[in-house]
Amino acid sequence: EPEVTQTPSHQVTQMGQEVILRCVPISNHLYFYWYRQILGQKVEFLVSFYNNEISEKSEIFDDQFSVERPDGSNFTLKIRSTKLEDSAMYFCASNPGGNTEAFFGQGTRLTVV
Amino acid sequence: QQPVQSPQAVILREGEDAVINCSSSKALYSVHWYRQKHGEAPVFLMILLKGGEQKGHDKISASFNEKKQQSSLYLTASQLSYSGTYFCGTEMSYNTDKLIFGTGTRLQVFP
Repeated sequence: EPEVTQTPSHQVTQMGQEVILRCVPISNHLYFYWYRQILGQKVEFLVSFYNNEISEKSEIFDDQFSVERPDGSNFTLKIRSTKLEDSAMYFCASNPGGNTEAFFGQGTRLTVV
Repeated sequence: QQPVQSPQAVILREGEDAVINCSSSKALYSVHWYRQKHGEAPVFLMILLKGGEQKGHDKISASFNEKKQQSSLYLTASQLSYSGTYFCGTEMSYNTDKLIFGTGTRLQVFP
């Protein structure tokens, strides 16, 4: 069964460092998303990506964040200068079209120290 | 904009029923329901589109009341495997690419 894969599963980084979280969405899907979940809290929308550009983003997704689909298969989230409050589980998701089931990856746990 | 879920937590014995509600202050186009087990990714349960259609599979079903901007998830004859946190995700229009998740309802089923 096709699945969304994320790497790494856990990343520890020092405050102020740049991190890149990687995702491989399901191959025939057109919409890609990043969500984050601070421990014990709800899942928060960060950004959606369609047709090689950002289609929507939340207030959380400020200038420190960027997304890219560099090679037609990977979908990356970059945080330029990490802060302690960026520590969270980051989920990538994809779906074939709007208003359909979103498939989530297993997440990357980011710990900023 | 964030939908509100109630109750925040439910404790059940195996075989009991539960209802989880998801309410929005804004008009909704669709409601998605997900279940998340501890340390895992959210898993899709079902989607309800504007039109008030009720859906279900096995012993889990849901309804969408457009007038009240509310969706309810019904869990009947609960099983141990139903334990987890349930999130509703809402979309405001057909053209949006943004699923806004509710506050979550933690469900624990005991033998």
